[in-house]
Amino acid sequence: QSALTQPPSASGSPGQSVTISCTGTSSDVGGYNFVSWYQQYPGKAPKLMIYEVNKRPSGVPDRFSGSKSGNTASLTVSGLQAEDEADYYCSSYAGSNNLVFGGGTKLTVL
Amino acid sequence: EVQLLESGGGLVQPGGSLRLSCAASGFTFSSHAMNWVRQAPGKGLEWVSAISATGNIKYYADSVAGRFTISRDNSKNTLYLLMSSLRAEDTAVYFCAKGIVGATLHAFDIWGQGTMVTVSS
Repeated sequence: QSALTQPPSASGSPGQSVTISCTGTSSDVGGYNFVSWYQQYPGKAPKLMIYEVNKRPSGVPDRFSGSKSGNTASLTVSGLQAEDEADYYCSSYAGSNNLVFGGGTKLTVL
Repeated sequence: EVQLLESGGGLVQPGGSLRLSCAASGFTFSSHAMNWVRQAPGKGLEWVSAISATGNIKYYADSVAGRFTISRDNSKNTLYLLMSSLRAEDTAVYFCAKGIVGATLHAFDIWGQGTMVTVSS
């Protein structure tokens, strides 16, 4: 199973909005509403930010939102803050009891 | 406090075996599916394996199928990953992760801190 495609990097200034894309196929992102997004700081464990395309776990700020159109999912971070600087990974159920991750995007807050 | 704590990582020769453990606390372990996810040095995340809450259903990534075995002991609140026929490409930090309610492997809301496995001669 091929990894989902994410841009290697993204950036924005404090207070701005930034959107990170996650492109798959009709066999994964496009075929299921089981896209998740994780935030990971260097040397730390990932943290679930979005699940099932657009649902936020308790405790995740509403500045984080998710969406999907066709085979591409997106994570939008609004009102960027310095603490949002981290790596972000998408994942999608890919059928046949398989899960695939994206390659990750390094978000820089300028 | 909800917590997952992995152990058992280390240096192993190619072709060798290693068993990882993940001790859970702070939640009803027996009610949730559990997973292993790995991350090679400087690389992205890769899903490895999943096991249902009762332990009767197990799934594996193609890259580890036939070499790795996932299991759990709900009486001890512990998840395991037995890794055999290890290869250099298995070198990674291995995380255990709890599946969200109602899901086996599509989203993980609690993660351990990870344990490093290095396969090298």
